[in-house]
Amino acid sequence: DTGVSQDPRHKITKRGQNVTFRCDPISEHNRLYWYRQTLGQGPEFLTYFQNEAQLEKSRLLSDRFSAERPKGSFSTLEIQRTEQGDSAMYLCASSNQREGLGIEQFFGPGTRLTVL
Amino acid sequence: AQSVTQLGSHVSVSEGALVLLRCNYSSSVPPYLFWYVQYPNQGLQLLLKYTTGATLVKGINGFEAEFKKSETSFHLTKPSAHMSDAAEYFCAVTPSGSARQLTFGSGTQLTVLP
Repeated sequence: DTGVSQDPRHKITKRGQNVTFRCDPISEHNRLYWYRQTLGQGPEFLTYFQNEAQLEKSRLLSDRFSAERPKGSFSTLEIQRTEQGDSAMYLCASSNQREGLGIEQFFGPGTRLTVL
Repeated sequence: AQSVTQLGSHVSVSEGALVLLRCNYSSSVPPYLFWYVQYPNQGLQLLLKYTTGATLVKGINGFEAEFKKSETSFHLTKPSAHMSDAAEYFCAVTPSGSARQLTFGSGTQLTVLP
């Protein structure tokens, strides 16, 4: 059990560029979540997957945000045409939730995005 | 809809003193409740959780929390603070039975004074 990993840990980009972040969940975890955390705030839910199915995406901040989990393992979060307001920490979490058990979410170290 | 309120964005205690971090929640269905800790530039680590059963739950590093339904509270305590407890603490809630995304409070920064 190597924990949730995220890549890159830091990303600096210019306004208008596209960025993509990767999350590798704990092996065999069926659920994967994306959150955004801005300075001085708690994490804010964006979207989640159960296996490869994206079950909730209405909380994605705009149509510039999209996420995939094509084979039910790793996931990517893409932000198109970045804006300065997108600067934040993007956190990924996974859980092995089956029949109401294993509800705790394990978080990765996050990707810190800075948009210049 | 659910929400979490953490009273006190900053709490300072002396080393060895009692730690009390407050969390109140609002939920239309019975909730599951969590406390997470975040160290600088790191992800969140689960301290403890309440799902069902005993309302006093014990977690890692000597922390515990009590679920009080009548007060809609889930305050975090530790009898004796240690310097290594200095971090940011987040309370979170999710609907029971269909636990999905977590709704977090805005966090409490704990400072431990020598």
